Amino acid sequence: GESVGLHLPTLSVQEGDNSIINCAYSNSASDYFIWYKQESGKGPQFIIDIRSNMDKRQGQRVTVLLNKTVKHLSLQIAATQPGDSAVYFCAENYYGNNRLAFGKGNQVVVIP
Amino acid sequence: GAVVSQHPSWVICKSGTSVKIECRSLDFQATTMFWYRQFPKQSLMLMATSNEGSKATYEQGVEKDKFLINHASLTLSTLTVTSAHPEDSSFYICSAKRRPGTFFGQGTRLTVV
Repeated sequence: GESVGLHLPTLSVQEGDNSIINCAYSNSASDYFIWYKQESGKGPQFIIDIRSNMDKRQGQRVTVLLNKTVKHLSLQIAATQPGDSAVYFCAENYYGNNRLAFGKGNQVVVIP
Repeated sequence: GAVVSQHPSWVICKSGTSVKIECRSLDFQATTMFWYRQFPKQSLMLMATSNEGSKATYEQGVEKDKFLINHASLTLSTLTVTSAHPEDSSFYICSAKRRPGTFFGQGTRLTVV
């Protein structure tokens, strides 16, 4: 059933500052990783992805860093805006064939 | 714009009834779609892989007779929650792969009373 009282790790960031969200993934064989943004009551929204043969990839205001040695993924958001307030999930192609396993999620709260 | 559409976005049903949720890929064909379940403040949990023209593949611990999946066309997968009970209340989300990544529907909030 549903769990009550769970709290996601929360990052509070001032508008205009940079945000860094971290994620530890579990399967050293995962070859593809994605960051998603989820607003309340909505499905996850694709932000950026990276393949295991890369260690950095940049998009518009976002950068993903991959450290395969320690199985760590991070998402950097530049000049954070109020519209960036959401829960952010990392996902790995854990099972193969695009069956994704999601991390626990991080709540980002942007302070105007 | 959205590339994957779910319907309905929310539904309330009585305990013991069945509910069908639709997932459509818009303007592209998806031979494979995925169904996830999400409880409040928690992550998405993969339930099953929906395969066009063949049986769905369920993840360990997911009851196939409880959560019926049909992928009758290249743009539509349906999830039917049979004999729903209050513990089935959750947020159900589907996804499909389309380059550059995997895209999700807007989710369906199911409340069983």
